[in-house]
Amino acid sequence: AQSVTQPDIHITVSEGASLELRCNYSYGATPYLFWYVQSPGQGLQLLLKYFSGDTLVQGIKGFEAEFKRSQSSFNLRKPSVHWSDAAEYFCAACPYGGATNKLIFGTGTLLAVQP
Amino acid sequence: EAGVTQFPSHSVIEKGQTVTLRCDPISGHDNLYWYRRVMGKEIKFLLHFVKESKQDESGMPNNRFLAERTGGTYSTLKVQPAELEDSGVYFCASSQDVRQGGTYEQYFGPGTRLTVT
Repeated sequence: AQSVTQPDIHITVSEGASLELRCNYSYGATPYLFWYVQSPGQGLQLLLKYFSGDTLVQGIKGFEAEFKRSQSSFNLRKPSVHWSDAAEYFCAACPYGGATNKLIFGTGTLLAVQP
Repeated sequence: EAGVTQFPSHSVIEKGQTVTLRCDPISGHDNLYWYRRVMGKEIKFLLHFVKESKQDESGMPNNRFLAERTGGTYSTLKVQPAELEDSGVYFCASSQDVRQGGTYEQYFGPGTRLTVT
């Protein structure tokens, strides 16, 4: 079955430290891939997306993600975390060429930032 | 440009009652989606409208849930009668038709938190 896995439910990092959030997908073909963020009291905001081409994609707020086909991964990274990055992060996939564009989400990773 | 809006932001109802959630997509977006997140679980797809037609309703949990999108604009999701397990956050999202220059990006609303007691 198609699925998206985020192995880390909760991560705590210090402000200024680097961050990597893991995401793995299970699909027959490479899906479209997304990272969303949900800050407290807010809706889901798209950070970045991968459709094809360059496997390193840049997003908003200084985030980037690297698509690795061999590992079925799409990990999110940020070189230096800010306190305002504390939020819940969701990886999502959309099957390529599907009749519907529904997103399959991972369970989310809750990021806490220590001063 | 206004984003996706949802009403109400919170709703607390008793088991057996009826609740109607509303979603207003971004103007011009033909695609409208409903998702739900039950506490501690992943966000799950419920259904997808293309204009006023249901393209995919494979995620609707049962016939207590009824979604409509009259005129292809706003959408409502009615739960009747509500059960305890219906509690969660209901998200709406919209996207532009790819044939009209859109991509597969979905823009989400803030969600409606439904609590059934």
